[in-house]
Amino acid sequence: NAGVMQNPRHLVRRRGQEARLRCSPVKGHSHVYWYRQLPEEGLKFMVYLQKENIIDESGMPKERFSAEFPKEGPSILRIQQVVRGDSAAYFCASSPIQGSSNQPQHFGDGTRLSIL
Amino acid sequence: GQQLNQSPQSMFIQEGEDVSMNCTSSSIFNTWLWYKQDPGEGPVLLIALYKAGELTSNGRLTAQFGITRKDSFLNISASIPSDVGIYFCAGQNPNSGNTPLVFGKGTRLSVIA
Repeated sequence: NAGVMQNPRHLVRRRGQEARLRCSPVKGHSHVYWYRQLPEEGLKFMVYLQKENIIDESGMPKERFSAEFPKEGPSILRIQQVVRGDSAAYFCASSPIQGSSNQPQHFGDGTRLSIL
Repeated sequence: GQQLNQSPQSMFIQEGEDVSMNCTSSSIFNTWLWYKQDPGEGPVLLIALYKAGELTSNGRLTAQFGITRKDSFLNISASIPSDVGIYFCAGQNPNSGNTPLVFGKGTRLSVIA
């Protein structure tokens, strides 16, 4: 999927544990987006990051969820004290630097999170 | 928030038939995108539309950006079994730059050989 790498592909956690999802964008892309997909639903935007900055987190729950995109390394979506309702597929997308018009977002294959 | 209404929700067609699906919005977008998602995978971009009225083809796929900026359709001609999957439309907000996508709920396509 156009070079966006997500890991792990599948993650199982018990209620109360922490989940850490990783996303390495396409080489040269500095914009990362996280989306969540529930069964039989479309993708819902969670958070948009550039290197070391959160640009828009309007779709992310206020509690337990956090995201970062450090200067070096992948973007991380962190979910603390997971609950059953966090079970979903989490997708990461990346795009090139702002100002490059007509550059659509390319998606990874997602992390499927299951909460026991 | 913004919502996209995608129809039909599902389709069952015979191999070789043409397919048409559409997406409507209550607000305008300056970019419309169509993605296909196979089971267990992420969405793959099929067609991107950037101008109202634009008609773009990609092989057997054709998509149009409605002139009101509030709708788009996707046509697939002469369907084949590998067209099976979920097709999502996505709109991008009017602001410039790399803004988040708003997705429809998808059209699930089944092709009967």
